[in-house]
Amino acid sequence: DAKTTQPNSMESNEEEPVHLPCNHSTISGTDYIHWYRQLPSQGPEYVIHGLTSNVNNRMASLAIAEDRKSSTLILHRATLRDAAVYYCILRDVRYNQGGKLIFGQGTELSVKP
Amino acid sequence: DGGITQSPKYLFRKEGQNVTLSCEQNLNHDAMYWYRQDPGQGLRLIYYSQIVNDFQKGDIAEGYSVSREKKESFPLTVTSAQKNPTAFYLCASSIGTGASYEQYFGPGTRLTVT
Repeated sequence: DAKTTQPNSMESNEEEPVHLPCNHSTISGTDYIHWYRQLPSQGPEYVIHGLTSNVNNRMASLAIAEDRKSSTLILHRATLRDAAVYYCILRDVRYNQGGKLIFGQGTELSVKP
Repeated sequence: DGGITQSPKYLFRKEGQNVTLSCEQNLNHDAMYWYRQDPGQGLRLIYYSQIVNDFQKGDIAEGYSVSREKKESFPLTVTSAQKNPTAFYLCASSIGTGASYEQYFGPGTRLTVT
């Protein structure tokens, strides 16, 4: 399974943009990049995913490097409710394997008022 | 509202006892999953089921058992053979394949074994 590398922690100020990086230098052409986040004492929730092109949804944007070896999750205006652990996950669509996701340790984002 | 329910939220057991964690979903999803999370760590897959009456071991299945008799239910039994059962247990279900895929998680059960 292709691995991802994320910083252990990041800090942000409320109402400022946040850029959460993820390195995945061994990504294959059939790996989708998924982001989930986990608020304290809750189950993870889906944020966004993409393959090659940048993606936007109501929660965030996903910027994918041209060589696909890195990506960045962008929260446009951080709020206190965005404080969570953010997981960057690769999922190879060639091998369904029950659709399982492999979670690393993620990036713990703290947001200061 | 559709979603995944796990009960109870907190569970306490004595060492040597088996315990069953409940997971129910009304999302009509075929696939369901059980993960374990230890403090400060990511999630690790215990078991998963792609369809009723079928399930596969994940990365850390030893000491656990599951059943999938109904589409909406996927209970997990933590047996006395599990050496370190104290953890946060998360159930999930998924929809879609390929480009369109998303996992939905329940609120979790925090199990403490003493």
